[in-house]
Amino acid sequence: EVQLVESGGGLVQPGGSLRLSCAASGLTVSINYMSWVRQAPGKGLEWVSVIYSGESTYYADSVKGRFTISRDNSKNTLYLQMNSLRAEDTAVYYCARVRSATNFDYWGQGTLVTVSS
Amino acid sequence: DIQMTQSPSSLSASVGDRVTITCQASQDISNYLNWYQQKSGKAPKLLIYDASNLETGVPSRFSGSGSGTDFTFTISSLQPEDIATYYCQQYDNLLYTFGQGTKVEIK
Repeated sequence: EVQLVESGGGLVQPGGSLRLSCAASGLTVSINYMSWVRQAPGKGLEWVSVIYSGESTYYADSVKGRFTISRDNSKNTLYLQMNSLRAEDTAVYYCARVRSATNFDYWGQGTLVTVSS
Repeated sequence: DIQMTQSPSSLSASVGDRVTITCQASQDISNYLNWYQQKSGKAPKLLIYDASNLETGVPSRFSGSGSGTDFTFTISSLQPEDIATYYCQQYDNLLYTFGQGTKVEIK
């Protein structure tokens, strides 16, 4: 059974940093495309970033230059380093497996990030 | 970047009704269109992939169709457990975009 478990969310001040983790079991992060998707309170889904099975990474324009996606193959864990956080980054952040490069078939339960002074 | 226009934003229907949601892409995306169901407080769940393929374990009352720029998602007979928000999602050129969502309620 595949499980994705996010952690690392919390309250952070504007301009601050936070690193989210997504621990995977039942799938190998290093050979899968993995992604982060977020959802602001009461709003829709917004794709954030993807890392391919090589080292290619891509970002939504809204986070480019501020967020970095990475993985630790030895820990089978995906990360999202978030810097220069803004109020509009407040959201539940989900990690997800990207199947066939096109759809998100496994999702974690999400972790809430709140950016506020 | 490709924009997705999903409609309606909400709908109310009776149990047993046929429900239809549409999604329009700003340019041709072939069949790279997926549909998700999100129940309150939960993670999204993939229902339909590549426009018309039913994900394993998903009830057959859910279906999808379309290609190019115009896509349709249908619930053939609405059930109480189908109360949720539904999202379309496209893939194009290494980027992903979700529609705005459709909230489905029981009348």
